[in-house]
Amino acid sequence: KAGVTQTPRYLIKTRGQQVTLSCSPISGHRSVSWYQQTPGQGLQFLFEYFSETQRNKGNFPGRFSGRQFSNSRSEMNVSTLELGDSALYLCASSLTTGTSGGELFFGEGSRLTVL
Amino acid sequence: AQTVTQSQPEMSVQEAETVTLSCTYDTSENNYYLFWYKQPPSRQMILVIRQEAYKQQNATENRFSVNFQKAAKSFSLKISDSQLGDTAMYFCAFMKESPGGYQKVTFGTGTKLQVIP
Repeated sequence: KAGVTQTPRYLIKTRGQQVTLSCSPISGHRSVSWYQQTPGQGLQFLFEYFSETQRNKGNFPGRFSGRQFSNSRSEMNVSTLELGDSALYLCASSLTTGTSGGELFFGEGSRLTVL
Repeated sequence: AQTVTQSQPEMSVQEAETVTLSCTYDTSENNYYLFWYKQPPSRQMILVIRQEAYKQQNATENRFSVNFQKAAKSFSLKISDSQLGDTAMYFCAFMKESPGGYQKVTFGTGTKLQVIP
């Protein structure tokens, strides 16, 4: 069974540009969440999607957005990039649909560098 | 809002020895889940162990065990017989039980563990 796949793995952008990151969850997983990982801040929750609906959102500016498709694949977009957006962006999928506290399965991440 | 605190940014342990990683959390919830995730240098995060708050018995997975103190809001991870492959960042995480089913996991800032041969 294939794991969580994130593309691209590495990318370099300049300030002001926008970027789109993609995440394909494990087959059968309908919940996809995104995290930003930086050395100083650890993992910060961005948002979570389930059945194409955003169920929860973290404390990030509106420049950060996401969506989920009918096949559960998810994308996140960051517009008007800032230097501080340089980070590892992690996607995680889960089987949990209810109140069962499911395990998160992570991808290898997309390493974004903003110059 | 929930917070998770890992007070040990870095730790080291000799191979075959035992090490304990600390984690405390703050919540007003009664039903929740706690996790330890491991992120090796290759970056893919994997689950090490999980604990349901309603269970008094501490979770154990082979060489990994937790000391869950609900009243003290403490959730430490003990690694016995440390191996070189245990070298990684370890994240403590909290997830509350939600009727809506949404998942918002709060992570600590991590503890970098180095196992020394």
